[in-house]
Amino acid sequence: GAGVSQSPSNKVTEKGKDVELRCDPISGHTALYWYRQSLGQGLEFLIYFQGNSAPDKSGLPSDRFSAERTGGSVSTLTIQRTQQEDSAVYLCASSSGGPSPLTDTQYFGPGTRLTVL
Amino acid sequence: AQSVTQLGSHVSVSEGALVLLRCNYSSSVPPYLFWYVQYPNQGLQLLLKYTTGATLVKGINGFEAEFKKSETSFHLTKPSAHMSDAAEYFCAVSGAGSYQLTFGKGTKLSVIP
Repeated sequence: GAGVSQSPSNKVTEKGKDVELRCDPISGHTALYWYRQSLGQGLEFLIYFQGNSAPDKSGLPSDRFSAERTGGSVSTLTIQRTQQEDSAVYLCASSSGGPSPLTDTQYFGPGTRLTVL
Repeated sequence: AQSVTQLGSHVSVSEGALVLLRCNYSSSVPPYLFWYVQYPNQGLQLLLKYTTGATLVKGINGFEAEFKKSETSFHLTKPSAHMSDAAEYFCAVSGAGSYQLTFGKGTKLSVIP
């Protein structure tokens, strides 16, 4: 597709339920990132995938959060036993993953707004 | 560790007036600096970035930013504001071996007709 897509655009769930958020990166992009945007914390890095390398999970806030990337393309962020503080917009980004990842432009999707009641 | 401070969570300017959004960073190594814009209910869009070379960087929609190492600043400017510039703007930094972006809290720009 032309850009990064995310689904669903909105998700309302009850406390304690599990949720899955999906990200489709730009075709050919090998690097994929998840960020969380919340009122109190601003934009926070969660996890980074680059090709077949082990992901950088240093930003995941707890072991209730996990992510996978299948076939080097689509990624799913899973939040288990959701809490009210998980309410936020979850943004996915992808980049070409070229030789200079620090300067790569990250292209963002529209986000998934998660509300935990 | 890296950090970004954006002065002013909300800035209002009149249409046609100068836009100045402030960003200061903290980094132990030469940083790579970015400005992103977020329109309501949309994802972030890159306005411009500084990596190496010329310290005055021109971006899309008439925006530019100047990297000033001595002031650890990367302020965003536009000579004449348009109504369509109303959005939230985020300054971000990467570097020090980290490809994750560290964002400022954002500045919401309002343009008054």
